[in-house]
Amino acid sequence: NAGVTQTPKFRVLKTGQSMTLLCAQDMNHEYMYWYRQDPGMGLRLIHYSVGEGTTAKGEVPDGYNVSRLKKQNFLLGLESAAPSQTSVYFCASSQPEGLAGGTYEQYFGPGTRLTVT
Amino acid sequence: AQSVTQLGSHVSVSEGALVLLRCNYSSSVPPYLFWYVQYPNQGLQLLLKYTTGATLVKGINGFEAEFKKSETSFHLTKPSAHMSDAAEYFCAVSDLRSGYSTLTFGKGTMLLVSP
Repeated sequence: NAGVTQTPKFRVLKTGQSMTLLCAQDMNHEYMYWYRQDPGMGLRLIHYSVGEGTTAKGEVPDGYNVSRLKKQNFLLGLESAAPSQTSVYFCASSQPEGLAGGTYEQYFGPGTRLTVT
Repeated sequence: AQSVTQLGSHVSVSEGALVLLRCNYSSSVPPYLFWYVQYPNQGLQLLLKYTTGATLVKGINGFEAEFKKSETSFHLTKPSAHMSDAAEYFCAVSDLRSGYSTLTFGKGTMLLVSP
């Protein structure tokens, strides 16, 4: 049981390049999330999904897109990277109460450190 | 909108001393409250949570927190700090308006433990 995994662990991009971050979870969780963590800012929610085929905007969605084609995967895309997107990105998943194993606890991946030059 | 305030970006204690990390939240509906810990270069790990019921909740590694509705607080404590407690701690809130589906995090408090 790997929990939540993220690919890649590190990446350096040039301004204007695009990339996709992959998050996978093997806990059969309904909900998945993408956060960014910046020094002194805590974690801020970018986008989230409450089920396969659904996505919703979080606090800081601009410049990012997401897709949840399969329940176990949640992809975060940067179409045209900017230096302001230099950050550590965390994926998380959770199961809502009312469903099997539901506690609302979010389980986090190890993070992806992205630098945009 | 819900929000979380953590007082003190850094807290320093000596090994064996009491740990107190402060968290105040803003929510107009009954909240769920969480404390997460992040060790260097790792993801976040749940320490403890309050949803309903007993207002004093115990978590892993000897930590506990008390939900005080009148003070809108959820402070984290540990009677005796250990060197291994050095990490960053995040308080988070969720409420019914989001269906408890999303968390709002505080900015974090770095706990430094000296010998």
